[in-house]
Amino acid sequence: KAGVTQTPRYLIKTRGQQVTLSCSPISGHRSVSWYQQTPGQGLQFLFEYFSETQRNKGNFPGRFSGRQFSNSRSEMNVSTLELGDSALYLCASSRTGADTQYFGPGTRLTVL
Amino acid sequence: GIQVEQSPPDLILQEGANSTLRCNFSDSVNNLQWFHQNPWGQLINLFYIPSGTKQNGRLSATTVATERYSLLYISSSQTTDSGVYFCAVCSNDYKLSFGAGTTVTVRA
Repeated sequence: KAGVTQTPRYLIKTRGQQVTLSCSPISGHRSVSWYQQTPGQGLQFLFEYFSETQRNKGNFPGRFSGRQFSNSRSEMNVSTLELGDSALYLCASSRTGADTQYFGPGTRLTVL
Repeated sequence: GIQVEQSPPDLILQEGANSTLRCNFSDSVNNLQWFHQNPWGQLINLFYIPSGTKQNGRLSATTVATERYSLLYISSSQTTDSGVYFCAVCSNDYKLSFGAGTTVTVRA
């Protein structure tokens, strides 16, 4: 069974631009979560989707948004990029959201 | 939110040594997971262990939910065990709260 895939793997953007990251979960998994990892703040929860519904959202500004499609694939968008948005963005999938989480390889975003 | 504390923050081991990593959490949880982050950044799930004891090869984990802690044991460590180990807990909100991690370095 294929694992969680994330695209792109690396991104370089400049301040003020926007970016869209994509996550394809393991087949059969309906829950997709997003996390931001930085050296200073560690791993922080962004949001979780199940069957196209956002069930929880972390403490991030409204510039961070996401959505889930009917095939469970998910995208997250960051608008008006800031230098502090430079991070590793990780996506995880699971069957229910309350069971074992499987992470993708991540997208490393650099904002210049 | 739930606070998760991991200790020690850093661990240096000689190949073949055994070690114990600890995770304390501040409130009751529905699940607890241990992850290993490899040098490329990917988080690999080691255990889903809300309570009890599990073993997988040279790794084992024990969670005592009533006392709000979990332990990860690494036996006969190998250089490939190097990396950062994270403990993460979840309550009823589909959100994993991570500890700061334990960085393990295994020297040959």
